[in-house]
Amino acid sequence: NAGVTQTPKFQVLKTGQSMTLQCAQDMNHEYMSWYRQDPGMGLRLIHYSVGAGITDQGEVPNGYNVSRSTTEDFPLRLLSAAPSQTSVYFCASSYLGQGPNTGELFFGEGSRLTVL
Amino acid sequence: DQQVKQNSPSLSVQEGRISILNCDYTNSMFDYFLWYKKYPAEGPTFLISISSIKDKNEDGRFTVFLNKSAKHLSLHIVPSQPGDSAVYFCAASFYSSNTGKLIFGQGTTLQVKP
Repeated sequence: NAGVTQTPKFQVLKTGQSMTLQCAQDMNHEYMSWYRQDPGMGLRLIHYSVGAGITDQGEVPNGYNVSRSTTEDFPLRLLSAAPSQTSVYFCASSYLGQGPNTGELFFGEGSRLTVL
Repeated sequence: DQQVKQNSPSLSVQEGRISILNCDYTNSMFDYFLWYKKYPAEGPTFLISISSIKDKNEDGRFTVFLNKSAKHLSLHIVPSQPGDSAVYFCAASFYSSNTGKLIFGQGTTLQVKP
């Protein structure tokens, strides 16, 4: 029972480099999202998706790109990394609809990114 | 503009006593609220939730209270245990809009001393 799997767990980048954080879930959740966690700022929503082919911006979308080609996968792309993007990134998923557990997000273990 | 605020960065309590974590929100359209718990090097995990049509929800040692007029919710842990030491995040959503989007507060670090 894998749940939400994020890779890599750790990454160091140089300013200007690009990379993709991978996220996969095996619970057939419609909703997937990316958050970043920074000291004193809590968890801030970057992008989210309510289904394959549908994405939308969250609170802090600048510098990030997403796509949702399948229900299972929701990669986050950093187009040109900046030191301000040094953070811990969490992918999360959930069911939509009016049933039980709606709104309860299941999180991955996080990816720690350092941009030098 | 922080729509969900946890104004206490940290809280320390003695084992066996009550822990009270507070959360304020600014958007009266939020209609569903959740608490998450996070240990170091792990992802947050769901703890308890409450709909805006209720003012209280209990689950074992955990109780969440909602005061809509004050736009305030609180999490009570009774009795507190050392294993409860973690970061606690409150979150709010527009449940009825069915987007699944959650807005989180800054988090409160709880330390329960043996």
